[in-house]
Amino acid sequence: QVQLQESGPGLVKPSQTLSVTCTVSGGSISSGGYYWSWIRQHPGKGLEWIGHIFYSGNTYYNPSLKTRVTISVDTSKNQFSLRLSSVAAADTAMYYCARRAGYNYGYALDVWGQGTTVIVSS
Amino acid sequence: DIQMTQSPSSLSASVGDSVTITCRASQSITTYLNWYQQKPGKAPKLLIYAATTLQSGVPSRFSGSGSETDFTLTISNLQPEDFATYSCQQSHTIPWTFGQGTKLDIK
Repeated sequence: QVQLQESGPGLVKPSQTLSVTCTVSGGSISSGGYYWSWIRQHPGKGLEWIGHIFYSGNTYYNPSLKTRVTISVDTSKNQFSLRLSSVAAADTAMYYCARRAGYNYGYALDVWGQGTTVIVSS
Repeated sequence: DIQMTQSPSSLSASVGDSVTITCRASQSITTYLNWYQQKPGKAPKLLIYAATTLQSGVPSRFSGSGSETDFTLTISNLQPEDFATYSCQQSHTIPWTFGQGTKLDIK
C-alpha cells in the first residue's frame, strides 16, 4: 500500500526558508485522483492544513500562509515538497504530508506520513 | 474560514463504555466531514469520511452521524487502544479546517 515519508532539516533559523520533502512509495504520485497535502501541528495544538498539489502542478494553499508557501511536485522522484519562507518561532511544528482522497472518499486525508519536527531557532 | 468546534475538549471513560464526541461547523458543510484518531507521537489516522462511512480496517464500534453543521462520533464498547485524541475536519471549503481535538482518556 501507499506510504509517505517526510524528510527535513529539523532546525531552521528565523527568517530563513523551511524545506520539507515527502517521498511516496508503493504507488505513483502521478496515478491521478489524489492531491498531495501538507498539514502541520503546533506543539500541543490542533491540526492546520497548509495546502495541496496535484501531480500536474495544480496547487491550493491556505490563505493564511499563501504569501510564504510553495508546494511543488517531482514526478520523476515520486516526491512532493513544501517550502515556507521567512520562518519565525511560530512556524515551529510537526509537519505531516498526507494523501487527499477523491470525491468518493469525501476528499479525506487517507494516508499520512509519520511527520517531521521542524524547530525554528537561532 | 469555516470554524470547527468540538465538544467536549476532553473526557474520561472506562473500558466498555460508550462515548460521543460532537463537532459543529460554523456553516453548512453538507457531509464533507471526516474524523481522525491520533495517538501521542503518531500521525493522525482516518476513521470516518463523508460523515458516516467507516474507513477500511476501522472497527465497527466507531460510527459517525450528522449533516450540514452538526456531527457526532460515537465509540461503543471502548477498548484500551481507543484512548487517544479525536479530531474532526471539514473538506467542503478551502482552507480545510480541523476541530481543536477531543482527548479521550481512561477514567
